[in-house]
Amino acid sequence: GQQLNQSPQSMFIQEGEDVSMNCTSSSIFNTWLWYKQDPGEGPVLLIALYKAGELTSNGRLTAQFGITRKDSFLNISASIPSDVGIYFCAGQTGANSKLTFGKGITLSVRP
Amino acid sequence: NAGVMQNPRHLVRRRGQEARLRCSPMKGHSHVYWYRQLPEEGLKFMVYLQKENIIDESGMPKERFSAEFPKEGPSILRIQQVVRGDSAAYFCASSPTPGARSGNTIYFGEGSWLTVV
Repeated sequence: GQQLNQSPQSMFIQEGEDVSMNCTSSSIFNTWLWYKQDPGEGPVLLIALYKAGELTSNGRLTAQFGITRKDSFLNISASIPSDVGIYFCAGQTGANSKLTFGKGITLSVRP
Repeated sequence: NAGVMQNPRHLVRRRGQEARLRCSPMKGHSHVYWYRQLPEEGLKFMVYLQKENIIDESGMPKERFSAEFPKEGPSILRIQQVVRGDSAAYFCASSPTPGARSGNTIYFGEGSWLTVV
């Protein structure tokens, strides 16, 4: 089945640093989404990407939809303590089709 | 994820009992999805429903699990004769009707945490 790969499992950065996370797939997706999940909460949508090559920003977050449609990255600039959480990438093949999730990256930010 | 309402947020059941999890999608959304998340894992797709129809149930276990999205009322995920391995967080998500301006982005509820003792 389709799988999304996110690594490493955990990242530790200093407050103020930038961080980049990758997500790769063995198969093509037509939509890529990045979610953040805090403990005991549901995933919150950060950025949605709908076109290969697309680069989209949301505040300090920037994400790109890879040109091959098999990867995406998320960049967080000038990290702050509230960026702590689990970041999931998700791919979707068609409109309203199910999402396939990566296993997530746990981000820790040292003050 | 504001707008997708799930209840209960936490549910404790003894082995063999039934668990019913409810989900009301965001206003204007007619597509509902259920996902399961085990500790320290990503979300795994279970089932995709539209009003009164199951569109894709490829992620649903063959036994004990069922889902519905009736014409009126919330979507229900039902787990019969629960076992310890059913303990997980169950998330509902919704997306709008195709062609809506907001696109087909999927928004999640805050989850229902099932503990089987």
